[in-house]
Amino acid sequence: SQTIHQWPATLVQPVGSPLSLECTVEGTSNPNLYWYRQAAGRGLQLLFYSVGIGQISSEVPQNLSASRPQDRQFILSSKKLLLSDSSFYLCAWSVQNTGELFFGEGSRLTVL
Amino acid sequence: SQQGEEDPQALSIQEGENATMNCSYKTSINNLQWYRQNSGRGLVHLILIRSNEREKHSGRLRVTLDTSKKSSSLLITASRAADTASYFCATSGGSNYKLTFGKGTLLTVNP
Repeated sequence: SQTIHQWPATLVQPVGSPLSLECTVEGTSNPNLYWYRQAAGRGLQLLFYSVGIGQISSEVPQNLSASRPQDRQFILSSKKLLLSDSSFYLCAWSVQNTGELFFGEGSRLTVL
Repeated sequence: SQQGEEDPQALSIQEGENATMNCSYKTSINNLQWYRQNSGRGLVHLILIRSNEREKHSGRLRVTLDTSKKSSSLLITASRAADTASYFCATSGGSNYKLTFGKGTLLTVNP
């Protein structure tokens, strides 16, 4: 069966520090991969999606970036965090062209 | 944007009652999906209804889709305290690569 792992679950970082959130999927190949952000009490905002290794599409211009170094690995990064980056970040995957998303458990980022 | 908008924003009911949540969207879609999120957790897919379908059932869930009104409803029958969660609709349009989510309905089921 397929599983998705996202870490770390909780992160407290100072302003200006770098960020790396990682997500890996097991039990499937060539998935679509996604990073979403969710502000408190709000819906999900799509940040990045990838349909293959090295293929990243950005939905929202900001100081975040994403990379897909391996087929089932998706990384969300920042060189310098801002206070406004504090949020709940969710990784998800889908089988190509089916649309149904499978989410990780999320990473709670607090920037101080 | 084809973002879904759920209504109401919050709903509080007693255990055993039915809960109905609505979703409206703006443009044509390929499918509409409903997800559930427990507080502080990831989202879980509940049900997908395609644009050529009008109604779908899964256990205690019933979803309807009216493409002429660009709206969908999620009915949870015989609710339980464990159904307490936020429920989101999400739409997929020209490409199945991307889903656009609404802001969700917070459902509280009181024991």
